[in-house]
Amino acid sequence: GQNIDQPTEMTATEGAIVQINCTYQTSGFNGLFWYQQHAGEAPTFLSYNVLDGLEEKGRFSSFLSRSKGYSYLLLKELQMKDSASYLCAVHGGATNKLIFGTGTLLAVQP
Amino acid sequence: DGGITQSPKYLFRKEGQNVTLSCEQNLNHDAMYWYRQDPGQGLRLIYYSQIVNDFQKGDIAEGYSVSREKKESFPLTVTSAQKNPTAFYLCASTPGTGANQPQHFGDGTRLSIL
Repeated sequence: GQNIDQPTEMTATEGAIVQINCTYQTSGFNGLFWYQQHAGEAPTFLSYNVLDGLEEKGRFSSFLSRSKGYSYLLLKELQMKDSASYLCAVHGGATNKLIFGTGTLLAVQP
Repeated sequence: DGGITQSPKYLFRKEGQNVTLSCEQNLNHDAMYWYRQDPGQGLRLIYYSQIVNDFQKGDIAEGYSVSREKKESFPLTVTSAQKNPTAFYLCASTPGTGANQPQHFGDGTRLSIL
């Protein structure tokens, strides 16, 4: 079957670093996406990984290990505006569709 | 600026009524998608269309219908057969069907039952 797991909620402090994990089991793999979604708003694209390793983009980085079915999103220098849900999604090769995890709700505290 | 417009932002449905959610894009994208988002669940794919005049069922198509008569438009009808329609509905698009293309989302329509 197809399964994507993320922690439901996380809390972190302003200025700190937080790592949001995502593990997946899918019948195919053509890449992994991370999206940010503020409450009641549209998800916005953060990163895409298809090869193993770390992709850095400003304060946000994303890591992928295909052999372990594992990814993480790293947020540095946390700001209050980073409080949002973070969605992990896998492009399943066999179905050519995106499969979404349930999302991780991150609360950044002063 | 190019983007995806969903309307209305809030919609109320009476029992036994069909309602249609609008999704329009001016990004010149070929592929469009409809998702449903419920609390505690990931986005679930309802229908998708890779090209004009063609569409396929997603994982939860029962009780929904779509059309793709124009490239820019992909309306979703929630029929009376959908017994639990209360949810946040998101429309998205991609330039084509390549796996590396991130989906661009509209701002969503929140549907509730009266």
